[in-house]
Amino acid sequence: DQQVKQNSPSLSVQEGRISILNCDYTNSMFDYFLWYKKYPAEGPTFLISISSIKDKNEDGRFTVFLNKSAKHLSLHIVPSQPGDSAVYFCAASANIKAAGNKLTFGGGTRVLVKP
Amino acid sequence: EPEVTQTPSHQVTQMGQEVILRCVPISNHLYFYWYRQILGQKVEFLVSFYNNEISEKSEIFDDQFSVERPDGSNFTLKIRSTKLEDSAMYFCASSDGQPQHFGDGTRLSIL
Repeated sequence: DQQVKQNSPSLSVQEGRISILNCDYTNSMFDYFLWYKKYPAEGPTFLISISSIKDKNEDGRFTVFLNKSAKHLSLHIVPSQPGDSAVYFCAASANIKAAGNKLTFGGGTRVLVKP
Repeated sequence: EPEVTQTPSHQVTQMGQEVILRCVPISNHLYFYWYRQILGQKVEFLVSFYNNEISEKSEIFDDQFSVERPDGSNFTLKIRSTKLEDSAMYFCASSDGQPQHFGDGTRLSIL
């Protein structure tokens, strides 16, 4: 199932710099996108989301950008902190107006923030 | 902050045995889900549950799987006759729409 794809399995960044994580999708029915962060031995923790009617959503150090025509979204973390070191998952849902729809996940990007 | 709790954190079971994974969703949430992640693979959807019935299930969720909300707080996933390929992390999630909030998972090891 390649409907949601994160092409970079890992990313290393210096503390204080920007982390940019990318995600591509193929299903045109997806209209809601989420980023989750996962530490070892824990479940995914919701970070930020964006609906398809927007092209940008910002929450503190985290900004998600959506390019619908390219079926591409990205997560920017500025400035990166050592505590941001984790695996980041992109996820997508279809038909946001119907609550409770399943999430389709990408394969994850492991981020390492070096002090 | 309210959270989804899952028990046990690790379950070891012989192949062919029944296993029940338990979840306590966030109390005011109405939608419940199970996902699993086989080692090295993506997190994949199994089933969603709303208003005491399954609202959607994946092709993975065959007759060996069942879900139940036996009381007002618990949400369980039962695998009737486990296979080696059922070894995975199983995550429960709940929501009142989106986003979904996940528990820390149960690691299921089938011997």
